[in-house]
Amino acid sequence: DTGVSQDPRHKITKRGQNVTFRCDPISEHNRLYWYRQTLGQGPEFLTYFQNEAQLEKSRLLSDRFSAERPKGSFSTLEIQRTEQGDSAMYLCASSPQGNEQFFGPGTRLTVL
Amino acid sequence: KNEVEQSPQNLTAQEGEFITINCSYSVGISALHWLQQHPGGGIVSLFMLSSGKKKHGRLIATINIQEKHSSLHITASHPRDSAVYICAVRFLGDGGKLIFGTGTRLQVFP
Repeated sequence: DTGVSQDPRHKITKRGQNVTFRCDPISEHNRLYWYRQTLGQGPEFLTYFQNEAQLEKSRLLSDRFSAERPKGSFSTLEIQRTEQGDSAMYLCASSPQGNEQFFGPGTRLTVL
Repeated sequence: KNEVEQSPQNLTAQEGEFITINCSYSVGISALHWLQQHPGGGIVSLFMLSSGKKKHGRLIATINIQEKHSSLHITASHPRDSAVYICAVRFLGDGGKLIFGTGTRLQVFP
């Protein structure tokens, strides 16, 4: 399969715990994006990478959030000290530069 | 401010009806995307366009750059078209990220 994959698909955690999500993009895509979607809303941009460089971070990305793409391939998104307001679907997408984005299935986070 | 608005928010139709979903945006764009999202979250890209019109099967997407408006049409709608349709744009000078509308929930009844 050559699509975008995300792991895990579902995560339930208690408030205050740290969680980490992984995204594996389509192999030849140099851009990787993270978005967050809450119920009934469209996705919102969080951050994106071109190769290993993090080019932009949204104001939504508080200091509890960190994202990496160490070798320009897979990416991780970590949330420290989770809060109930972090409950959402976290979507990853990849693209060749400037072109159509291909989305992964998402990781649904529930913070109790 | 870079904004994207969609209408309607919800749409119900009988099988076979012609469907139109509208999207308007605030400033110049480099591209506009129409996306489909089924229950469970998976997002599929339907179209990416920067001018004119594109057609794929029963789906047609048009864009009017001067009016900052795009439409997604579904001809001969079918219950399997039931999903959320989302418009997303890449604004000029805004990097590669997409700004999304809130989506249109379509239900097509047999």
